[in-house]
Amino acid sequence: QKEVEQDPGPLSVPEGAIVSLNCTYSNSAFQYFMWYRQYSRKGPELLMYTYSSGNKEDGRFTAQVDKSSKYISLFIRDSQPSDSATYLCAMSAGNTDKLIFGTGTRLQVFP
Amino acid sequence: GAVVSQHPSRVICKSGTSVKIECRSLDFQATTMFWYRQFPKKSLMLMATSNEGSKATYEQGVEKDKFLINHASLTLSTLTVTSAHPEDSSFYICSAAGPTYDEQYFGPGTRLTVT
Repeated sequence: QKEVEQDPGPLSVPEGAIVSLNCTYSNSAFQYFMWYRQYSRKGPELLMYTYSSGNKEDGRFTAQVDKSSKYISLFIRDSQPSDSATYLCAMSAGNTDKLIFGTGTRLQVFP
Repeated sequence: GAVVSQHPSRVICKSGTSVKIECRSLDFQATTMFWYRQFPKKSLMLMATSNEGSKATYEQGVEKDKFLINHASLTLSTLTVTSAHPEDSSFYICSAAGPTYDEQYFGPGTRLTVT
């Protein structure tokens, strides 16, 4: 079993839709959780960073962590074509431990 | 977020030659830099972790003599792919972090093609 599982997609939604991206993990030691956005042929860009269980909101993005279920989510409200990218979840056990990435979910938002 | 640059963005080289990729943190001092490799439709695979002024720590299965990493300053790390072969063709991405690794800032990546 992989440490981090993420549905590769692709996920195709119309503009304005609410998008839900998810990752599950098996290592209960993970404490830090991140979401990165990666456009084609570019490096990942840090979108959201959370430490505790619960929700964190930043504009149209909401990150949710449920440590009891070992499940994290990223919600995108009012999705735009410019949100079309691959979204990678990442997590680590400590703030000096390496990040473990999911495989990424490819999202396509069509006008 | 912090800005990390990589150079070159794309390189094509012949089999047997060596290629150097630079990673620079432009607006902060990166205590630690990471080198990743990414295959199409796959996640990032950590190759090595480098701290300024010390030897890099390589992940299991990564040949340290083939992938030479130098982290000479708090703003510059280099990855040299020695005696490149076609199977080394990939997307190489660096990231930079401060004293803690939880917030890493990634470079734009370097596409290496070995012919």
